[in-house]
Amino acid sequence: GAVVSQHPSWVICKSGTSVKIECRSLDFQATTMFWYRQFPKQSLMLMATSNEGSKATYEQGVEKDKFLINHASLTLSTLTVTSAHPEDSSFYICSAREQLGTSTGEQFFGPGTRLTVL
Amino acid sequence: AQRVTQPEKLLSVFKGAPVELKCNYSYSGSPELFWYVQYSRQRLQLLLRHISRESIKGFTADLNKGETSFHLKKPFAQEEDSAMYYCALRGNFNKFYFGSGTKLNVKP
Repeated sequence: GAVVSQHPSWVICKSGTSVKIECRSLDFQATTMFWYRQFPKQSLMLMATSNEGSKATYEQGVEKDKFLINHASLTLSTLTVTSAHPEDSSFYICSAREQLGTSTGEQFFGPGTRLTVL
Repeated sequence: AQRVTQPEKLLSVFKGAPVELKCNYSYSGSPELFWYVQYSRQRLQLLLRHISRESIKGFTADLNKGETSFHLKKPFAQEEDSAMYYCALRGNFNKFYFGSGTKLNVKP
């Protein structure tokens, strides 16, 4: 099946710094990628939808200036947590949806990135 | 607004016992429902989707629009079924909304 990778798998940073997380579809083109946040023992919460070549659309309550998303190519989307604070510590997961002609393909998930802000 | 509810955080059964993981949803349109599974230290992966009406690893799920449910069932649980199970709904613009998850623990 299709593979989605994330880098880094974990990161620790100081409060006030910015952190970039990459999401890559390794063997397919993904016109749409999704970014989720997962708190311990809770579900995945959709943060934003990343569309190749256009601005991301954010879910209600997600600060677009805080979580910058860039989807510059069909295989790469990045999430930058700007001026990170301890409350931003979480598990961030991306997914990529394979576009098969006019049909909607399956959604494949990355392994996640554990962010810890000190 | 769309919402997916999984009322059980933890479900423990013995090997060979039947399993039912509950999922209820609310959605104003025509829903597409999915079950995802996450085994220990692995990424989330698709288990089954309602439009396929298939059985994967012995699991089945039927969409009941009247009860707005999409419960996941397996007649005889196996130890290797132990995992986190998430019910998900695909809404407008292909966005996915997940339930809070149910941890299934199958005891030997």
